[in-house]
Amino acid sequence: AQSVTQLDSQVPVFEEAPVELRCNYSSSVSVYLFWYVQYPNQGLQLLLKYLSGSTLVKGINGFEAEFNKSQTSFHLRKPSVHISDTAEYFCAVRGNFGNEKLTFGTGTRLTIIP
Amino acid sequence: DGGITQSPKYLFRKEGQNVTLSCEQNLNHDAMYWYRQDPGQGLRLIYYSQIVNDFQKGDIAEGYSVSREKKESFPLTVTSAQKNPTAFYLCASTPRLGAEAFFGQGTRLTVV
Repeated sequence: AQSVTQLDSQVPVFEEAPVELRCNYSSSVSVYLFWYVQYPNQGLQLLLKYLSGSTLVKGINGFEAEFNKSQTSFHLRKPSVHISDTAEYFCAVRGNFGNEKLTFGTGTRLTIIP
Repeated sequence: DGGITQSPKYLFRKEGQNVTLSCEQNLNHDAMYWYRQDPGQGLRLIYYSQIVNDFQKGDIAEGYSVSREKKESFPLTVTSAQKNPTAFYLCASTPRLGAEAFFGQGTRLTVV
């Protein structure tokens, strides 16, 4: 079984400042890792994913994340945020064999301050 | 266009009534999932199905039921036994190996 911890439930950031949203996971098997974004009253949209290979993953909207196996982390970063980045962000993990279910963290609400 | 369609977008139900939420996908994905989302609690898994005619309980299955008679469809019934059904419900699907889940736009259920 897997679990995901997003320690920060809310993160306020000034516009054009950098941001890091933290994600830690636990699993007894190798995993795939994902970050999703959710705008109000909508479904989830994939930002980026780590399946294998390079530990630095680049996604849409200027976001990137780094997989750190020793620290079991997959933190999301953006060097300069915009008002349009205001949303809720979810980290998710899935075992990398068979058809394992996807497990989500509790989410981080990112608020951009003008 | 391929994707996942949830209907209706908004649903109102009287207490004591069962209601069924629709989820259809044309992505040819094997697995489908139902999540419930409440403020501050993230997404919690209700049921999931990896193949047709088979499904498993997730973390909060009590008061819910599902069926998977066709690969494309995974309807969720919220029964009168669900004590607090007002929430945002999300359906998702994944292909057999690797890759991410694709989500529908959600159904907001309100019990009145």
